[in-house]
Formats: sequence, structure tokens, C-alpha cells
Amino acid sequence: ETGVTQTPRHLVMGMTNKKSLKCEQHLGHNAMYWYKQSAKKPLELMFVYNFKEQTENNSVPSRFSPECPNSSHLFLHLHTLQPEDSALYLCASSQGGATGELFFGEGSRLTVL
Amino acid sequence: SQQGEEDPQALSIQEGENATMNCSYKTSINNLQWYRQNSGRGLVHLILIRSNEREKHSGRLRVTLDTSKKSSSLLITASRAADTASYFCATDFNDYKLSFGAGTTVTVRA
Repeated sequence: ETGVTQTPRHLVMGMTNKKSLKCEQHLGHNAMYWYKQSAKKPLELMFVYNFKEQTENNSVPSRFSPECPNSSHLFLHLHTLQPEDSALYLCASSQGGATGELFFGEGSRLTVL
Repeated sequence: SQQGEEDPQALSIQEGENATMNCSYKTSINNLQWYRQNSGRGLVHLILIRSNEREKHSGRLRVTLDTSKKSSSLLITASRAADTASYFCATDFNDYKLSFGAGTTVTVRA
């Protein structure tokens, strides 16, 4: 069982919908991440939060809006998405940033119609 | 770009054989990590090798790092069907940015 839980596991939404992805980590880590995984492409780092503060925003379109209310929870709010945003969205956490191991959730498979 | 690049993109081997995949990167690193991803699942950390290390072992896994060539290799010995997965290398871009490649898909045939 992973220490990082993502919900929902699958999401289908229209281009005009608003939805949110949720990530929760039970590992006591201080850093949390959102990655986007599209088929045959490298994982794309989207956002990094360290002690609830955003430290990276990797030129992500504003239709993706992250929220980190505390060190254990991370959200990705989605609105007016495009079909090319369909992908697997992975949340991860770590203690000590990129110098150590990342623990990933199982991902949220997003389909935008 | 800092991200690692794995080679080959895909690999098919017979059970019991060894599987070797390589990773190349562009700039200096503090550490390099390897992860495994089973189909449709999250990534699982396999091994971390620091820039001052040349080789590391974990069970049936052997990782090498050559910082002069900016490359790393992952060897899986005596492969099993359960090793069928995608394997990714990741390099630390800065303190909080871990950059991944597109992965090597390994299929182990029974």
C-alpha cells in the first residue's frame, strides 16, 4: 500500500467542466509534487511545494491551479481543459527534495472530451 | 534540457536473461535515481546513486554511473516475468526538481 493516495483514480471531464484532483501523503514529508505523464513522453514536472510554499511552477498553463493547504495535502484544480491535457497525473512526496527518493501515488487518469 | 534519456526505448528478453538499459544526461548532477512503473500504476523507487559513487547493487539490480560520460546503466540479472515494466532514470536538476526521461519498456517473456 502506497503512502501517497490520489483520488479520483479515473476522471472524464468536458472542456467546460471544473474538477479537482486530490493527493494525500501519510509519510510526514515536507515536499510534494505534481507530474504529468503522457504516452511516450518524459514525465513533466508541473509544480513543487516545499513546506506548503510553491517552489516550482514549470510554465504550466493557468487552467491548472495547484493548492497546498498543508504539508500532507495537495490539490490540482482543473478548469476549461483541452483534449491534449488528457494524461496520467502523478503526485509524489519526498523528504529533502530531489536529493532523496520520491514516493509516488498511483496516479489520476484524466480524459478530456 | 537536464532530463535523462533512456536507451533503448523498448527491450524484450526471455525469462532468466539479463536486461541492460542506459541513461544519458546533459549537465552535472548530485545524484541519479532509477524508478520502475508497472502498467497504469505509479512509479516505484529502485535505487539512488550519488555522483561520487561508481556502482551500486540492490538485490538483482546493478547500477553504474560514469560522470565523465554523463551516463548510467541499470542491469537486471536473471529476469522474471514480474520485471515486466517501464524503467525511468531521474536526475536532480536543482534541490527540488527531479527530471525524468521517457523510459525503457521491458518485456520479459516466459
